[in-house]
Amino acid sequence: QKEVEQDPGPLSVPEGAIVSLNCTYSNSAFQYFMWYRQYSRKGPELLMYTYSSGNKEDGRFTAQVDKSSKYISLFIRDSQPSDSATYLCAMSLTGANSKLTFGKGITLSVRP
Amino acid sequence: DVKVTQSSRYLVKRTGEKVFLECVQDMDHENMFWYRQDPGLGLRLIYFSYDVKMKEKGDIPEGYSVSREKKERFSLILESASTNQTSMYLCASRGATGGNTIYFGEGSWLTVV
Repeated sequence: QKEVEQDPGPLSVPEGAIVSLNCTYSNSAFQYFMWYRQYSRKGPELLMYTYSSGNKEDGRFTAQVDKSSKYISLFIRDSQPSDSATYLCAMSLTGANSKLTFGKGITLSVRP
Repeated sequence: DVKVTQSSRYLVKRTGEKVFLECVQDMDHENMFWYRQDPGLGLRLIYFSYDVKMKEKGDIPEGYSVSREKKERFSLILESASTNQTSMYLCASRGATGGNTIYFGEGSWLTVV
């Protein structure tokens, strides 16, 4: 079983839709959970960061962590064409030198 | 804002050439990383460095080496480039505190012919 699984997609939605992106993981010791957004031919940029369980909201974006189910989600409300990108989940253990484990990413296309 | 700068965005090199990819960060971060990203394979860690002159192998170090002589600069070296090293290379950095989030550069697209 891979440490982090992410639906490879691609995913295409109409403008204004609510988008749900998900990752599952196997290592129950993960404590830090991140979502990165990557536009075509650019480096990934940090979108959301969560420590342990719970929700975090930033504008149209909400990150959820369910540690009991080993499942994290990113919700995008009122999706826009500018949200079209690849989204990668990432997670790590505690400890300053812990490596990040990434999902492979899902490509989202928001149709005008 | 954290700034991670990769000096070369697009490079074309010949098989067997020695290739240097340079990365500089401006946030005094202790940790620096080199990844490669390929379609269907995601991000794969090549090497990382906890501090100056310290380095550790990642998941795919074969054919690569690194150098970190100064805290802000982390170089990836392809000793003898091969066509299977054609890829996007991403440098990243992270501070010792701050929740383990890492910050990426814009990427270097390397084509080996």
